[in-house]
Amino acid sequence: SQQGEEDPQALSIQEGENATMNCSYKTSINNLQWYRQNSGRGLVHLILIRSNEREKHSGRLRVTLDTSKKSSSLLITASRAADTASYFCATTTGNQFYFGTGTSLTVIP
Amino acid sequence: NAGVTQTPKFQVLKTGQSMTLQCAQDMNHEYMSWYRQDPGMGLRLIHYSVGAGITDQGEVPNGYNVSRSTTEDFPLRLLSAAPSQTSVYFCASSYRSLSPDEQYFGPGTRLTVT
Repeated sequence: SQQGEEDPQALSIQEGENATMNCSYKTSINNLQWYRQNSGRGLVHLILIRSNEREKHSGRLRVTLDTSKKSSSLLITASRAADTASYFCATTTGNQFYFGTGTSLTVIP
Repeated sequence: NAGVTQTPKFQVLKTGQSMTLQCAQDMNHEYMSWYRQDPGMGLRLIHYSVGAGITDQGEVPNGYNVSRSTTEDFPLRLLSAAPSQTSVYFCASSYRSLSPDEQYFGPGTRLTVT
């Protein structure tokens, strides 16, 4: 399987704290994306970083990519209770997407 | 725009039955895909399409068929349902077919095979 792995599997923080989750993958990629999934819902795209980029920001999100280590991290700053969800990384190789196993984030009000 | 729609939302099948999961998008996207999501496994790609008349296999295609006769529709057929196909199925679409980027997901179909 080319599925990536995410770390940690579960994360619980207080509102206002920062949350960091990591993603490792196995093959060369075109780009890496992060998605959020609220319980019982479909996935929602958060941010995309291309293979030739090292860092990207969008609002309270910061993504880094290290292609030499085949890893990425997602930082959510100043977390809110509404950020409680599962977060998945997805890599694209050619026309195929490979999703990680996900990090379950709980933000305690 | 309705985005990506999936029907049905829930389905229970007996082993050996066949059925079709419907997926449609109204965004004129070239790329469409089907995933299954199992606990602890993330999403796994079943089949995908880069345009009308073109489909290809993903990571876990066995037991599933697809076709893409129009840009809008991408149905997934279970030929002979097995308990191992109990899962949540998501359809997704993306604007570009070459090196697709942001995917838009449907709400999912929860399938139970008894």
